[in-house]
Amino acid sequence: KQEVTQIPAALSVPEGENLVLNCSFTDSAIYNLQWFRQDPGKGLTSLLLIQSSQREQTSGRLNASLDKSSGRSTLYIAASQPGDSATYLCAVSDRGSTLGRLYFGRGTQLTVWP
Amino acid sequence: GAVVSQHPSRVICKSGTSVKIECRSLDFQATTMFWYRQFPKQSLMLMATSNEGSKATYEQGVEKDKFLINHASLTLSTLTVTSAHPEDSSFYICSASSGSFADTQYFGPGTRLTVL
Repeated sequence: KQEVTQIPAALSVPEGENLVLNCSFTDSAIYNLQWFRQDPGKGLTSLLLIQSSQREQTSGRLNASLDKSSGRSTLYIAASQPGDSATYLCAVSDRGSTLGRLYFGRGTQLTVWP
Repeated sequence: GAVVSQHPSRVICKSGTSVKIECRSLDFQATTMFWYRQFPKQSLMLMATSNEGSKATYEQGVEKDKFLINHASLTLSTLTVTSAHPEDSSFYICSASSGSFADTQYFGPGTRLTVL
């Protein structure tokens, strides 16, 4: 069974710092990997989706990399802002499973203070 | 585009009652909808997958008679928690996909269920 782990569980940084969130998964046979943002008591917003054949994706200040063979992904946030404060979730879609089944990590709770 | 809504956003009920949660895709046809449950500081756990017009597929350990799922149309799926108990208190999130394996899932805003 696919297990997704995110480190650290929580992170508190001052505004302006560049930071890295880590995600690892046990089964490298994935179809794609996504990073989501979840605000308190809210649903999920997809940030970046990396197909298994890709190495990275970028959107604005966000960059996500994927090393499928080692079962790792990182989300890099440049020049962090207080508005980036949220929980960041990593999820993988497992090839061969039911349509679009996602396995989620527990998330990294990020706080960016002014 | 690709907006998914859930109703209600928050519900409080007494133990033993049933609660229905709606999930709607507002601007696309969702051939597949997913229901997740999230406990505080835990990851989202898939409960079931539903395809329009057919029975839902439940994950291991999820009681299908307790969590009734109906995907009656291409824009609506409902989750009914029957005879709710305090341990069913959780955050329930749905997502919707338009079909192919590579399609992105679009998530609803979630429903906070509290059972007293």
